[in-house]
Amino acid sequence: GAVVSQHPSRVICKSGTSVKIECRSLDFQATTMFWYRQFPKQSLMLMATSNEGSKATYEQGVEKDKFLINHASLTLSTLTVTSAHPEDSSFYICSASRGEQYFGPGTRLTVT
Amino acid sequence: TQLLEQSPQFLSIQEGENLTVYCNSSSVFSSLQWYRQEPGEGPVLLVTVVTGGEVKKLKRLTFQFGDARKDSSLHITAAQPGDTGLYLCAGARGAGSYQLTFGKGTKLSVIP
Repeated sequence: GAVVSQHPSRVICKSGTSVKIECRSLDFQATTMFWYRQFPKQSLMLMATSNEGSKATYEQGVEKDKFLINHASLTLSTLTVTSAHPEDSSFYICSASRGEQYFGPGTRLTVT
Repeated sequence: TQLLEQSPQFLSIQEGENLTVYCNSSSVFSSLQWYRQEPGEGPVLLVTVVTGGEVKKLKRLTFQFGDARKDSSLHITAAQPGDTGLYLCAGARGAGSYQLTFGKGTKLSVIP
């Protein structure tokens, strides 16, 4: 199989706080993981490409100082949303690459 | 920018009917993947097509990759309510590249 997990599945936080989302590949090693954002009734928008042992590559318009990505091992990447604001509320999805991309179940972030 | 145009955006059909979803681009993709996503969950990989003109079947689903590797289609025969979901096509940007460009998706509703 190719199972990817995300934690937490849902999180509610207050404006100004930071939230960390974990993405794990459970049964394979992934040198590359991806972070996406999805607004209601829309498709996935790539935020950044996370490479194990090196800095993440961010897509145009994504603030790297706001969305901190760490890929410390071949099975774990984390996304930290710093100083969250209500407009950061969204569905965040990660994927891990093993040739093809396998997606996690997503994390619903609500910033109040 | 490599864009993928998906059509139709919304599709509502009766159980038992056939349907086709299209994914078109002016750019060549090294491979194209189809995903199905249910609300509140991550996309699930259905198939990857790599060779121009390739046809793959997955039970009642038939996937085709255009000869020029610029377009793809998904045909569902005798749709079932369980087929309801968001269907996403995604193209790989280049040989050896794991990054995907997603279409906007087709929201399919199959009415019993």
